[in-house]
Amino acid sequence: GESVGLHLPTLSVQEGDNSIINCAYSNSASDYFIWYKQESGKGPQFIIDIRSNMDKRQGQRVTVLLNKTVKHLSLQIAATQPGDSAVYFCAETPRSNDYKLSFGAGTTVTVRA
Amino acid sequence: NAGVTQTPKFRILKIGQSMTLQCAQDMNHNYMYWYRQDPGMGLKLIYYSVGAGITDKGEVPNGYNVSRSTTEDFPLRLELAAPSQTSVYFCASSSTGTGAGNEQFFGPGTRLTVL
Repeated sequence: GESVGLHLPTLSVQEGDNSIINCAYSNSASDYFIWYKQESGKGPQFIIDIRSNMDKRQGQRVTVLLNKTVKHLSLQIAATQPGDSAVYFCAETPRSNDYKLSFGAGTTVTVRA
Repeated sequence: NAGVTQTPKFRILKIGQSMTLQCAQDMNHNYMYWYRQDPGMGLKLIYYSVGAGITDKGEVPNGYNVSRSTTEDFPLRLELAAPSQTSVYFCASSSTGTGAGNEQFFGPGTRLTVL
């Protein structure tokens, strides 16, 4: 079965508000985590990544938080914009097999004007 | 750079037909991957390659074959198409193995329908 999953399949956000997208994983040996954004009709696009030796990593308007104690990952998007409407996937690689990404099912984010 | 390119964008096959999905990258990446994405689901790895001449099975390899004769190209072959292979297929590449912290770059996808 899948080793990663997202808490909610859909998220509706008011433009300008902050978005929080959650992801739970089951493999305690997971070493590397990535968030991807997939717009309609396109391939996934890298947003941000984090290694298991970190708790937090920030990018432009995005922050990823990793809680290894409860095996939880979240993506925070600041000041959500209409262009942020997409499906967001978390993915992870276990230490035992660095080449293979395991993807969750995705959260569809819709930004309301 | 064009990045990762895939052809065709769309294809409809009859049961039992065969076809090859093309994938090429111009980033000189060693690692290449094929995924399938079913409606409402995440991506599942079909096959991957760590370099020219080297391929290995992913999570869902049955019904597919791959080859890697050059660094740039990584075609995916369906020999006997079945309705269960209706999906969107994504090719990706990375400069090294994902665990080293190098992102995978994805192509735009091929939408395949088997009737």
